[in-house]
Amino acid sequence: EDQVTQSPEALRLQEGESSSLNCSYTVSGLRGLFWYRQDPGKGPEFLFTLYSAGEEKKKERLKATLTKKESFLHITAPKPEDSATYLCAVQAGEDSNYQLIWGAGTKLIIKP
Amino acid sequence: ETGVTQTPRHLVMGMTNKKSLKCEQHLGHNAMYWYKQSAKKPLELMFVYNFKEQTENNSVPSRFSPECPNSSHLFLHLHTLQPEDSALYLCASSQMNGASPYAQYFGPGTRLTVL
Repeated sequence: EDQVTQSPEALRLQEGESSSLNCSYTVSGLRGLFWYRQDPGKGPEFLFTLYSAGEEKKKERLKATLTKKESFLHITAPKPEDSATYLCAVQAGEDSNYQLIWGAGTKLIIKP
Repeated sequence: ETGVTQTPRHLVMGMTNKKSLKCEQHLGHNAMYWYKQSAKKPLELMFVYNFKEQTENNSVPSRFSPECPNSSHLFLHLHTLQPEDSALYLCASSQMNGASPYAQYFGPGTRLTVL
């Protein structure tokens, strides 16, 4: 069964303390992996799409990487405004399948 | 207006009420989605429309009824809901071309409380 698992469930860091969030997946035929950021009471905000192992994408303090089994969202020198829930989703399948398989998210709290 | 908009942002309804959620996308996409988001659970896909045609209904109870009059507007009609239907309802849109991986763009959501 296709599955996406995010860890940890929650992460508390001090401002400036770099760390990584994990998204592991077991799917057949990865087509794309997506990272989103969600603030409380708001809809998810698209961050990155990764298509193949070895690919990297960067945006400000965030860098997303992809291997054949997992993706990492690296946060360098985070600030309190980086506090949010980060969601990972995967599109997979050999035939025409546009549905995304979602992880439950990692809640990131950055303390000043 | 830009992106994906949803109204209302908050809705409290009784179990016997009928209400509708509205979504509009200004991104020129051809696919629209309804999701349900409950605390600490992955997003649950409810319905998908591609060029106004419903292409997915993930075993959603009939008390939820979607409507897509054109590729920019999407509605979710609600009637005789249950308290367990209380959640954040999210609308999203994307391009859809076969199985190509296009990102979905989300609205702010409607926080629904069923009393």
